[in-house]
Amino acid sequence: EPEVTQTPSHQVTQMGQEVILRCVPISNHLYFYWYRQILGQKVEFLVSFYNNEISEKSEIFDDQFSVERPDGSNFTLKIRSTKLEDSAMYFCASRQGPSSGANVLTFGAGSRLTVL
Amino acid sequence: AQTVTQSQPEMSVQEAETVTLSCTYDTSESNYYLFWYKQPPSRQMILVIRQEAYKQQNATENRFSVNFQKAAKSFSLKISDSQLGDTAMYFCAFMMWGAQKLVFGQGTRLTINP
Repeated sequence: EPEVTQTPSHQVTQMGQEVILRCVPISNHLYFYWYRQILGQKVEFLVSFYNNEISEKSEIFDDQFSVERPDGSNFTLKIRSTKLEDSAMYFCASRQGPSSGANVLTFGAGSRLTVL
Repeated sequence: AQTVTQSQPEMSVQEAETVTLSCTYDTSESNYYLFWYKQPPSRQMILVIRQEAYKQQNATENRFSVNFQKAAKSFSLKISDSQLGDTAMYFCAFMMWGAQKLVFGQGTRLTINP
C-alpha cells in the first residue's frame, strides 16, 4: 500500500539552528500538508500546499516556517531558527485531488523534533 | 471556525468488550466529512473510518462503526470485540467540504486490558 515517508524520524537540535524536515508524499497525490503535535496535545494544522504554492496556513506558521517542493517527489518543512517551543512531532500528510473519496489524508509516521 | 470536542480524555475496557468514543463538533456548514484516526504508541496516524455528512447511513469498517447524528452534531465511534491492538489514542477530525485541512479533537486515550 502506498505510504507517506518522512525523514528523519528523530532530530535533536540546538535552539536557534535551522532544521529541515523531509517528506515524500504518495506519488499521485496533489495536496500536501504539515501538522504538528506537541507532546500530550492535539494535532494542529500548520500548512497546506497545492499546485506549488501555499493554499492555507495557520497562525502557528509564521515567518520562521517555510515549505518547499524542490522536485517532483519531496516536500520539505524548514524552520529557520528553532525555539524550545518548536519541540514536537511533525506529521506530513498528502491526499488526492478533488474527486470522490479523495478527502482522506494519509499521514507519515512523523518526525520528532527536540530543541535543546 | 469549526471545532471538534472529545470529552473523554481516557477510557479503559477489557478485551472483547464494546467501547464507544464520543465526539461532537461545531459547524454552520451542511456539507462536510468526519473521520476517526488512530494513533498507536508508534505515533503514526492511521485512518479508522470516515463519514460523509450527506450520507444518512452510518459508516462501518469491520469491528468499527460510527453513530452519526447530524442534527446533534455528534459522531461517536464504536469498537466491537475490542482487541489489545486497539490500544491507542483516537482522534476525531472534521473537514469542511471543499476545504483542505482537517481539524482534530483533543483525542481519547483508549486502553484495552487483557
